[in-house]
Parts: sequence; C-alpha cells; structure tokens
Amino acid sequence: AQKVTQAQTEISVVEKEDVTLDCVYETRDTTYYLFWYKQPPSGELVFLIRRNSFDEQNEISGRYSWNFQKSTSSFNFTITASQVVDSAVYFCALSETTDSWGKFQFGAGTQVVVTP
Amino acid sequence: KAGVTQTPRYLIKTRGQQVTLSCSPISGHRSVSWYQQTPGQGLQFLFEYFSETQRNKGNFPGRFSGRQFSNSRSEMNVSTLELGDSALYLCASSFGTDSYEQYFGPGTRLTVT
Repeated sequence: AQKVTQAQTEISVVEKEDVTLDCVYETRDTTYYLFWYKQPPSGELVFLIRRNSFDEQNEISGRYSWNFQKSTSSFNFTITASQVVDSAVYFCALSETTDSWGKFQFGAGTQVVVTP
Repeated sequence: KAGVTQTPRYLIKTRGQQVTLSCSPISGHRSVSWYQQTPGQGLQFLFEYFSETQRNKGNFPGRFSGRQFSNSRSEMNVSTLELGDSALYLCASSFGTDSYEQYFGPGTRLTVT
C-alpha cells in the first residue's frame, strides 16, 4: 500500500506566484521523519527539509515553508514567490523507525512548472 | 565537502547481461541506500548497507544484489538483465539513523535493449 500520497501530478504557475504541494502519509510508528526533496531535470534528488513527528511547529526557510499536521497526516510544502529555477519534480518522503534502516518511502512526485 | 558520486552515469546493456554500478558516499557517511526510479513505479527502495552489512532490503528479485566496502563505497549488481530493469539508479548516503536526511548522487541511467 502506498504510504505517501501526492495527489497533485502537475502544477503550473507563473513566476512570483506561490505554490503549495500536498503530501499525505500513513504510518503506525509514533516516531517518524518526513522530508521534501527536489529533482530538477538533471536527475539528482536535492534535500530540502526534514521534520520529525514530535515537532509540529511550522517554519519558514527563505522562500520555503511547510505545514505539518499530525491530526490529518499531512505535510504540505509551499514555495513563495516562485521562480523559473523552481521548476522540478518535488517528492515527499517518509522514514519510519520500524524495520526501516535506510528506507525512505517516496510519493509519486509533483511536477512544478514555473513560467516567466 | 564532496557530494555523492556515482559511476558510470550512463550505461547501455543487452538483455541477459549483467551490470555493476558504483557509489561513493559523502565522507563520514557510513550508510548507503540504493533506489530504482522508473516512470511507472516511481522511486523504489532496493537495499541499504551500513558498515559493510546489508541492514534492509526492498522487494526486488535476487538478481539485484549489492555490497559495501570498508571505505563505505558501495556497488550494486544486476544479473541477467531484463528490459524492465531500464531505470535511473540512485544511491544515497547518510550517517545511518532514521532521523538523518539522505543525500543523493546524480544517478546511473541504465538502458537495457
């Protein structure tokens, strides 16, 4: 069963618009970690942010912000004032602590297209 | 600090052949995980090595194997290649606990004809 769901396949925006990416996860672990990665056309996955299950404080880092809500098992990610360089596929990932050494479970990804 | 490196970057093989991919982790990282990425299945976990031991394995046939050396460099091998093995193979390194983010290499693009 899919443990990480990214329902949005593709989002197209015009530069300077905000983009919010949805992520819903499923786990029975009480301790777990959530991540967002960016994959530009070059193919390399780039780490963006990490959150643990005990810290629901939402933060802002530059143009990135995230909204973690355990009650709805959601970990949404927002890019403020998007730029063309933000065009990439964005992946949400879950790392559990039960029998999960080194195993990240990724969502299907959301393609973000930012046009000038 | 140098990032994760993978060699080769591109490979073309024929069905039935075998292939070996290499991954050098970030200095100080002892864990290496391997993933297969395809348009149909997305990113799928293959296996993870820590201090030369396989600690975890995904749902892939025995044709997929790996190993890790004492310097934390890792190799994965695919024997008897099938057309469906065509994919981007990504390796990631980390300090080795669940809480740490994984840093990915650029991947090896394998095409099986």
